[in-house]
Amino acid sequence: DTEVTQTPKHLVMGMTNKKSLKCEQHMGHRAMYWYKQKAKKPPELMFVYSYEKLSINESVPSRFSPECPNSSLLNLHLHALQPEDSALYLCASSARDTINSPLHFGNGTRLTVT
Amino acid sequence: KQEVTQIPAALSVPEGENLVLNCSFTDSAIYNLQWFRQDPGKGLTSLLLIQSSQREQTSGRLNASLDKSSGRSTLYIAASQPGDSATYLCAAPDNYGQNFVFGPGTRLSVLP
Repeated sequence: DTEVTQTPKHLVMGMTNKKSLKCEQHMGHRAMYWYKQKAKKPPELMFVYSYEKLSINESVPSRFSPECPNSSLLNLHLHALQPEDSALYLCASSARDTINSPLHFGNGTRLTVT
Repeated sequence: KQEVTQIPAALSVPEGENLVLNCSFTDSAIYNLQWFRQDPGKGLTSLLLIQSSQREQTSGRLNASLDKSSGRSTLYIAASQPGDSATYLCAAPDNYGQNFVFGPGTRLSVLP
């Protein structure tokens, strides 16, 4: 079992829909991350939140909008997505916002855009 | 720009064999390197985070080594089991020390 919980596990949405992905951790970690992973490829970083503030945005299109309501929760709001955005979206957390802390991943949300 | 590669891309071994997975990185000015395991359709599980000062880190049947001077890390799996079948990814810090750059992974199959 993972200590980072992501919901939903699967999501199918049309290009005009608005949906949100949710991530929760109760390990007291202060850094949270969104990654995107295409089939048979490594994860690619999208966003990093450190102490509830956005610290890294890897030039992600504005149709992806992250939100960190508190230190335990991370959301990814989706709007007007394209079929090529279909992927596994992974949330991760770490104790500190440095690369000296191990990353803990959730099991991801499998997103399909039709 | 940090680039991470892994060989082999895929590996199939009979149960009980010892095996080595290789990871190479281009920027050797790193503090540490992390190894992960990913089962199909699942997230990544952290296996080992090895600091540059440690050179080696062990967890059960897993042993990871780090040689910064040669830009290499190896993950040694002893007495492999079918449950070890998964994709193994290594990740090294980027040039700014802000993020991990992942390798493409080695897909391991351990046959009973």
